[in-house]
Amino acid sequence: SQQGEEDPQALSIQEGENATMNCSYKTSINNLQWYRQNSGRGLVHLILIRSNEREKHSGRLRVTLDTSKKSSSLLITASRAADTASYFCATQDRDDKIIFGKGTRLHILP
Amino acid sequence: DGGITQSPKYLFRKEGQNVTLSCEQNLNHDAMYWYRQDPGQGLRLIYYSQIVNDFQKGDIAEGYSVSREKKESFPLTVTSAQKNPTAFYLCASSPNRGREKLFFGSGTQLSVL
Repeated sequence: SQQGEEDPQALSIQEGENATMNCSYKTSINNLQWYRQNSGRGLVHLILIRSNEREKHSGRLRVTLDTSKKSSSLLITASRAADTASYFCATQDRDDKIIFGKGTRLHILP
Repeated sequence: DGGITQSPKYLFRKEGQNVTLSCEQNLNHDAMYWYRQDPGQGLRLIYYSQIVNDFQKGDIAEGYSVSREKKESFPLTVTSAQKNPTAFYLCASSPNRGREKLFFGSGTQLSVL
């Protein structure tokens, strides 16, 4: 089973615009993380938000977490061509399993 | 350099053959994970281990086996019972029982001859 479900599955925006991706999950979590993957590569960690936190920032990234709705969002501001990648959310449940969603494919248009 | 290393980068399996994918880390992390990724899909958890000599099944453990005899090593064997093994395999490690970020290797692409 896949705990997280990202939305949308694919997103194309113009360079300089903001990109928003959403993640929904099913069970109680310890934390939620966002990762980026360039084609054929390993994943790179972007940001971790714990279950008792509501918002975190890192550079051009902003993550929110709503545990009552079991959802999170990732905002990338002022997008760049280098942001083109797949983005995944991952949740750690109470059994310490880390489960990934299916991802959002982001394409930044020049 | 500290990091997590997967080998080989590409691996081919014949019908009925078992193959082993290597994953080594020198980050002194407790937790290690194996994921399978099919084209255009997300990662699915195969096995994970939070301590030496202990490991747990993930969501798709059938046809796979692991061992954790050393803290720095977590090899994955794809057995002949795994009928559809072609996929990209990713290993990851994390400190503090996985309650911090995951560090990923660069992956192994397994194909069937």
